[in-house]
Amino acid sequence: NAGVMQNPRHLVRRRGQEARLRCSPMKGHSHVYWYRQLPEEGLKFMVYLQKENIIDESGMPKERFSAEFPKEGPSILRIQQVVRGDSAAYFCASSPGRGAGGYTFGSGTRLTVV
Amino acid sequence: GENVGLHLPTLSVQEGDNSIINCAYSNSASDYFIWYKQESGKGPQFIIDIRSNMDKRQGQRVTVLLNKTVKHLSLQIAATQPGDSAVYFCAENISPGAGSYQLTFGKGTKLSVIP
Repeated sequence: NAGVMQNPRHLVRRRGQEARLRCSPMKGHSHVYWYRQLPEEGLKFMVYLQKENIIDESGMPKERFSAEFPKEGPSILRIQQVVRGDSAAYFCASSPGRGAGGYTFGSGTRLTVV
Repeated sequence: GENVGLHLPTLSVQEGDNSIINCAYSNSASDYFIWYKQESGKGPQFIIDIRSNMDKRQGQRVTVLLNKTVKHLSLQIAATQPGDSAVYFCAENISPGAGSYQLTFGKGTKLSVIP
């Protein structure tokens, strides 16, 4: 039973380009959460999704960021027109039900904007 | 806003000694707490959790203590090993309700084990 799979592990983008981060939840998990971690900081909640639904995107910047979790395939976090301040580690977690107790985190995608 | 914070950003201990990592929280509505271990280049790994109706919980070599009076959480690691070297985060959660799925993380404490 594979864990939460994120790819790519490392992503380098030039300012103004688009970044697409993918997350495949654990088998049997239908709840996905994205968190962002700045250097030497704790993780900060961005968005919570279930299949085909965004439940809570209160932690996501209003512009340039979007997330989806389609019926088929991985969850995608998309950042358009990246800026240097978007450089961070982005972690995805999944759980079998709603609630923080069942979280399993992936290994993250480290985005570097140059 | 209310948040979780840590007293000590770095902690160095001798191998075999016990480690204590502290965490202060300020949200009185939080009733579920988790300690995570994060090794370099990896995602947070669950260590132990505790609900607010308890004041102590033990795992393998780890103990979490919760003092709701002073809103303080600690993680004790017995017989610290080199493999324990990592950054440790406490995280809080409010359940039930709209916040039941969100974790609020502190900034972390880096534990370095000296062989």
